[in-house]
Amino acid sequence: EVQLVESGGGLVQPGGSLRLSCAASGFTFRSYWMHWVRQAPGKGLVWVSGIDSDGSTTTYADSVKGRFTISRDNAKNTLYLQMNSLRAEDTAVYYCVRGTPPDYWGQGTLVTVSS
Amino acid sequence: DIQMTQSPSSLSASVGDRVTITCRASQGIRNDLGWYQQKPGKAPKRLIYAASTLQSGVPSRLSGSGSGTEFTLTISSLQPEDFATYYCLQYNSYPWTFGQGTKVEIK
Repeated sequence: EVQLVESGGGLVQPGGSLRLSCAASGFTFRSYWMHWVRQAPGKGLVWVSGIDSDGSTTTYADSVKGRFTISRDNAKNTLYLQMNSLRAEDTAVYYCVRGTPPDYWGQGTLVTVSS
Repeated sequence: DIQMTQSPSSLSASVGDRVTITCRASQGIRNDLGWYQQKPGKAPKRLIYAASTLQSGVPSRLSGSGSGTEFTLTISSLQPEDFATYYCLQYNSYPWTFGQGTKVEIK
């Protein structure tokens, strides 16, 4: 059974940093592109970032470029999102998503940026 | 960036009704489109990919069609478990973009 379990969310002040993790199991993690998608409270879905199977290629939404870094550790079956210089508009549930086209989603982790 | 225009933003329907949701892409995306269902407090669930391929386990009353710039999701006979919010997603090119969502409510 495919499982994606996000962690690392929480309350952070504007300008602060947070690192999200996504632990993957039930499939060959190193074979898949992985992505982060976020959803602000009461709003729609927004793609944030993606990374290829060996971590050599990354891509970002303009809204996070230069502030967020996606990475992965295939030995640990884990996807990461390092988020720096956080802003109030980054407040959202962050989902870890498998594949292109995307199929499985984690349950999400809430990031709240507020003073 | 490719813009995805989804309509309607919400609709009210009764059990047994036929429902159609449309997504229009600002440029051609071949058939690189998926449909997702989201219920409150839950993660999205994939229903359809490649515009018309039904995800395993998804009931056949749901169907997708279209190619290029016009796409539709159809529910042939709405069931109680279908009341949710639906999103289209284009994955033809980065940045991936979602439609604004369609909330399907009980009439």
